[in-house]
Amino acid sequence: AQTVTQSQPEMSVQEAETVTLSCTYDTSENNYYLFWYKQPPSRQMILVIRQEAYKQQNATENRFSVNFQKAAKSFSLKISDSQLGDTAMYFCAFEDGQNFVFGPGTRLSVLP
Amino acid sequence: GAGVSQSPRYKVAKRGQDVALRCDPISGHVSLFWYQQALGQGPEFLTYFQNEAQLDKSGLPSDRFFAERPEGSVSTLKIQRTQQEDSAVYLCASSLKGLGAPSTDTQYFGPGTRLTVL
Repeated sequence: AQTVTQSQPEMSVQEAETVTLSCTYDTSENNYYLFWYKQPPSRQMILVIRQEAYKQQNATENRFSVNFQKAAKSFSLKISDSQLGDTAMYFCAFEDGQNFVFGPGTRLSVLP
Repeated sequence: GAGVSQSPRYKVAKRGQDVALRCDPISGHVSLFWYQQALGQGPEFLTYFQNEAQLDKSGLPSDRFFAERPEGSVSTLKIQRTQQEDSAVYLCASSLKGLGAPSTDTQYFGPGTRLTVL
């Protein structure tokens, strides 16, 4: 069965600094998709960034970028120039066309 | 509105009562997912619909849980004889394509229904 692990339950970062959230996953599939979702205190889950496993180039979305290491089954999220509005729970998620699995989440606090 | 909506936003039930939670997906979206999110945890998959067909219900924790999407749009998650361990936020998400489509699609989430069973 596919599993997603986020080893950092909580993290904090100073405003304007950079922070990296880690995610590892386990699968025997070769084709799959990885996602980072953000869930602010209001609880509406929104997509931050996604990565197709067949693409070697790491995805980027403005201040958000990933470091996708397929052989190591690692998918970390880097947030640059952290802003107070980035404070939220961040979930790593995996989809292989049959299953959609979320990790346990990392609570990120951006400090002024 | 253009997003996924869920109702009610909050529900308090006495143990043993039946509850029904509603999800209105984005119009035209093929896929609909239900998740259960306990406090401080990540969402756990419950069930998946492609149009009106329930293709996967492997995540439903017991036969007290039942979901339907009879016309391929609105979905209802019903929990019979609620128990305290059912207390959680129930999230609904929809996506334009079906699972297994040539390229996957983003899931758009609703605000959730917080269920408290006393």
